[in-house]
Amino acid sequence: GAGVSQSPSNKVTEKGKDVELRCDPISGHTALYWYRQRLGQGLEFLIYFQGNSAPDKSGLPSDRFSAERTGESVSTLTIQRTQQEDSAVYLCASSYVLQSYEQYFGPGTRLTVT
Amino acid sequence: DQQVKQNSPSLSVQEGRISILNCDYTNSMFDYFLWYKKYPAEGPTFLISISSIKDKNEDGRFTVFLNKSAKHLSLHIVPSQPGDSAVYFCAASESGTYKYIFGTGTRLKVLA
Repeated sequence: GAGVSQSPSNKVTEKGKDVELRCDPISGHTALYWYRQRLGQGLEFLIYFQGNSAPDKSGLPSDRFSAERTGESVSTLTIQRTQQEDSAVYLCASSYVLQSYEQYFGPGTRLTVT
Repeated sequence: DQQVKQNSPSLSVQEGRISILNCDYTNSMFDYFLWYKKYPAEGPTFLISISSIKDKNEDGRFTVFLNKSAKHLSLHIVPSQPGDSAVYFCAASESGTYKYIFGTGTRLKVLA
């Protein structure tokens, strides 16, 4: 079956512009997660969704970051007024339920802010 | 403050020998630990996990050991194969938080 997909795979944007990153989780997975990986660093947890609800947004780096999820499907991560430090690979993962520790990751979106 | 640390950024091992990847954590509330493997240009894939009620979990060539008193876990791969060459991440979670804290990864290279 289809895995987690993310689009675009690469995005180059100018500083100050807004970007929208998309994640399509595995069908039937109720939980969805966003992570960021900066160059040479580990995965940084950003936010999780249970259905379309995000109970804890404290991992988002700043108020320029926001995320939405439509039902139990597509999620978008929006970064407003991008900065160079936002350059990273943004990874999305999904799991069958929130209590399932095994997450399935997408290939990521590489964001470069010039 | 890095709550999950992988102090070895890289490791080279001869094919057929044992690979040992280490991970240390600081938060004593963590009670579930996972290892992921990542190939270039792909997302991480789940490898093996362990709950804090156990000190060992085995799956084929992969075994994870947990030492709660030392706040240390390790992944053993025996025998190592060239296809095991990848970046390995350990991750930790505290029950009920649904947040996963990842280490910075160890790049394993298995030499043929």
